[in-house]
Amino acid sequence: SQTIHQWPATLVQPVGSPLSLECTVEGTSNPNLYWYRQAAGRGLQLLFYSVGIGQISSEVPQNLSASRPQDRQFILSSKKLLLSDSGFYLCAWRGGPGEQFFGPGTRLTVL
Amino acid sequence: AQSVTQLDSHVSVSEGTPVLLRCNYSSSYSPSLFWYVQHPNKGLQLLLKYTSAATLVKGINGFEAEFKKSETSFHLTKPSAHMSDAAEYFCVVSPYTDKLIFGTGTRLQVFP
Repeated sequence: SQTIHQWPATLVQPVGSPLSLECTVEGTSNPNLYWYRQAAGRGLQLLFYSVGIGQISSEVPQNLSASRPQDRQFILSSKKLLLSDSGFYLCAWRGGPGEQFFGPGTRLTVL
Repeated sequence: AQSVTQLDSHVSVSEGTPVLLRCNYSSSYSPSLFWYVQHPNKGLQLLLKYTSAATLVKGINGFEAEFKKSETSFHLTKPSAHMSDAAEYFCVVSPYTDKLIFGTGTRLQVFP
């Protein structure tokens, strides 16, 4: 069966520091992968999605970036974090039409 | 453009009483609609989905939702709430098969 992993589970970083969040999927090949951010009291905002290695689409302008170095690995990065980057970051992969399966999430606090 | 509006940010019920979480959608054509649930500090789990088959959709854990085109609604219901149902619920529309648009969520509290 397919599983999706995210790490770290929680992270506290100072403003201006770099960021790297990792997502890996097991049990499927060539999945569509997604990064979402969930701010407190708000719904999920799609940040990036990828249909294959090296193929990244950005949904909103921001100081974050994403990369897909391997088929089942999706990385979210930043060179310099802002306070507004705090939130709950979720990785997901596409299952059936319109259906996505989510990882456990990473809670990022920027101080 | 497609969107969903969740009409209540918080809903509180007593254990054993019915649950109703309301969602209205906006779409220029027949949409695919979903309900997802998120327990505290966890990822999201698909509860149920509507993809233009039966208008009454049954999901996991006793939840169901009815697609009403005339009312542009897709409300989530459960006959009898359980303590374990306390979570945040998201109504979602899919304009394309690859993207999901989320509502702002409804937090369900269940009191003993």
